[in-house]
Amino acid sequence: DAGVIQSPRHEVTEMGQEVTLRCKPISGHNSLFWYRQTMMRGLELLIYFNNNVPIDDSGMPEDRFSAKMPNASFSTLKIQPSEPRDSAVYFCASSDSKTEANEKLFFGSGTQLSVL
Amino acid sequence: AQSVSQHNHHVILSEAASLELGCNYSYGGTVNLFWYVQYPGQHLQLLLKYFSGDPLVKGIKGFEAEFIKSKFSFNLRKPSVQWSDTAEYFCAVKSKAAGNKLTFGGGTRVLVKP
Repeated sequence: DAGVIQSPRHEVTEMGQEVTLRCKPISGHNSLFWYRQTMMRGLELLIYFNNNVPIDDSGMPEDRFSAKMPNASFSTLKIQPSEPRDSAVYFCASSDSKTEANEKLFFGSGTQLSVL
Repeated sequence: AQSVSQHNHHVILSEAASLELGCNYSYGGTVNLFWYVQYPGQHLQLLLKYFSGDPLVKGIKGFEAEFIKSKFSFNLRKPSVQWSDTAEYFCAVKSKAAGNKLTFGGGTRVLVKP
């Protein structure tokens, strides 16, 4: 099992550019989460999907952020246009929420985003 | 809205010392509680979780946590830490009333001096 796979591992871009972060959840998991981690705000949930459907996007900071999950094995988080304050580590996580006792989040290695 | 508070942002201690990290949450309904750990350069991984039953939960690497419902707390403990326990520790809470959203605390950075 390869775990949750995120790409790229590092992204450096200039303010105003579009950024797309990618995530492949663990096969069979039905929930997918996007988190953002910063020193100031800690770990914040941006959005999560259940069975490919967005359930709660209240953590998405602005309209510049959007997320999609076109199928069970792929999700994207897009920032357009990017700003320096978006610099953070973005984590994707997946879980099998069908059985409560087995439920836990499996995190990817994260994407370190730097917007100059 | 549910929230999770971790009292200490940074903890420094020596090997063999005992560790206790505080965690309080705001929601009073039925909750599931978690502690995750992030070792330097690694991604977050589950340390332990509480869903029901015995409020004293045993996790990996000698960690345990106690759910005290009356205090809305889920403190993490380890009687004798090792240098390899240096990491950031996150408490997390999930409740059905909040849409099964997992909310994390701000994290506590633990440095164990050899």
